[in-house]
Amino acid sequence: DVVLTQTPVSLLISLGGQASISCRSSQSLVHSNGNTYLHWYLQKPGQSPQLLIYQVSNRFSGIPDRFSGSGSGTDFTLKISRVEPEDLGVYYCLQRTHNPWTFGGGTKLELK
Amino acid sequence: QVKLLQSGAALVKPGASVKMSCKASGYTFTDYWVSWVKQSHGKSLEWIGEIYPNSGATNFNEKFKGKATLTVDKSTSTAYMELSRLTSEDSAIYYCTRFRDWGQGTLVTVSS
Repeated sequence: DVVLTQTPVSLLISLGGQASISCRSSQSLVHSNGNTYLHWYLQKPGQSPQLLIYQVSNRFSGIPDRFSGSGSGTDFTLKISRVEPEDLGVYYCLQRTHNPWTFGGGTKLELK
Repeated sequence: QVKLLQSGAALVKPGASVKMSCKASGYTFTDYWVSWVKQSHGKSLEWIGEIYPNSGATNFNEKFKGKATLTVDKSTSTAYMELSRLTSEDSAIYYCTRFRDWGQGTLVTVSS
């Protein structure tokens, strides 16, 4: 199975600051069709995960441009600029290139 | 507006089975795979498997083969997951999801 390693495990950020989360895969996430199925989610306390970014760098509907995704192959990054209180929670990466689909261990974003 | 409405929390005894539901609305149910995801307390997410409502075809994480059974009722746009031979390790929140949309989760507690 593909292992996704997220770092850091937790982040302390000031309001208005910038956060960067890494997701490294144990193998390339480039599908045979050329697409890369690496997605990012935020799970706010007591809520279901919500999709932020799909296929590496595409913001989902309604997601502000403060969120951006980048990367290729095995290394991916989610950046959150101008952090707001509503951004707090646990961030997960998910790969759907190789069966079984697997999630990263999560990164908890907290306020400093 | 897409909604995935899951059944309520369940308290079940070790060795028993539990069946939970996920009622879909706001989209054509038969056109999209529905996945199920497990989240043990305070932990990350695990993909259990998925079902294609139009044909009933399924795709499982090997880890959950024999544990989870996925079915659908096309007439009511509802997906079901049954977990069998429950142990304390099965205590968790279970989500149904299209990965862009998520149900609110069903809490399963296994206790005598």
